[in-house]
Amino acid sequence: KAGVTQTPRYLIKTRGQQVTLSCSPISGHRSVSWYQQTPGQGLQFLFEYFSETQRNKGNFPGRFSGRQFSNSRSEMNVSTLELGDSALYLCASSPGQSYGYTFGSGTRLTVV
Amino acid sequence: DAKTTQPTSMDCAEGRAANLPCNHSTISGNEYVYWYRQIHSQGPQYIIHGLKNNETNEMASLIITEDRKSSTLILPHATLRDTAVYYCIVRVGNYGQNFVFGPGTRLSVLP
Repeated sequence: KAGVTQTPRYLIKTRGQQVTLSCSPISGHRSVSWYQQTPGQGLQFLFEYFSETQRNKGNFPGRFSGRQFSNSRSEMNVSTLELGDSALYLCASSPGQSYGYTFGSGTRLTVV
Repeated sequence: DAKTTQPTSMDCAEGRAANLPCNHSTISGNEYVYWYRQIHSQGPQYIIHGLKNNETNEMASLIITEDRKSSTLILPHATLRDTAVYYCIVRVGNYGQNFVFGPGTRLSVLP
């Protein structure tokens, strides 16, 4: 059974650019969440989607957005990149019950 | 979601049991206790979760006190590959609630 797949694994962008990260959840999982991990702030929740609807959102500026498609795949977008956006971005999927989430390996974004 | 308190770091000898404590004194009746771990530069890995009863799976055991205000994750025979940051999280069981990760416990398994 394939795990959560995130692409790309590594990305280097310039300040002011925008970026789109992709996440393919485990087959059958309808809930997808995104997290940002930095050395200073640790793991922080960005948003969660279920059946193409955003159900929960963390405390991040509007430059961070996401969406989920009908096949449960999800993308997150960061516009007008800042140096502080450099982080490991993690996607996690869940069947949507009381089970835990399965995390992907993440996309490491570096903003220069 | 209730807050959790974990020791910053712990050491454990290889082959011995690793007992990782977690305090969650403000946990409410419908909140589950979840444990995850993160090995350097990888995504967090689900270990185990429980509500009231003790739980065991192929990775670990979870012991929850009767008042549910604390729990202990037990790795019965720690190996060097168990060196990681371990996160204890409490969360309402139904989906739609995000996980709030604290700083966790950095477990070092020593040869």
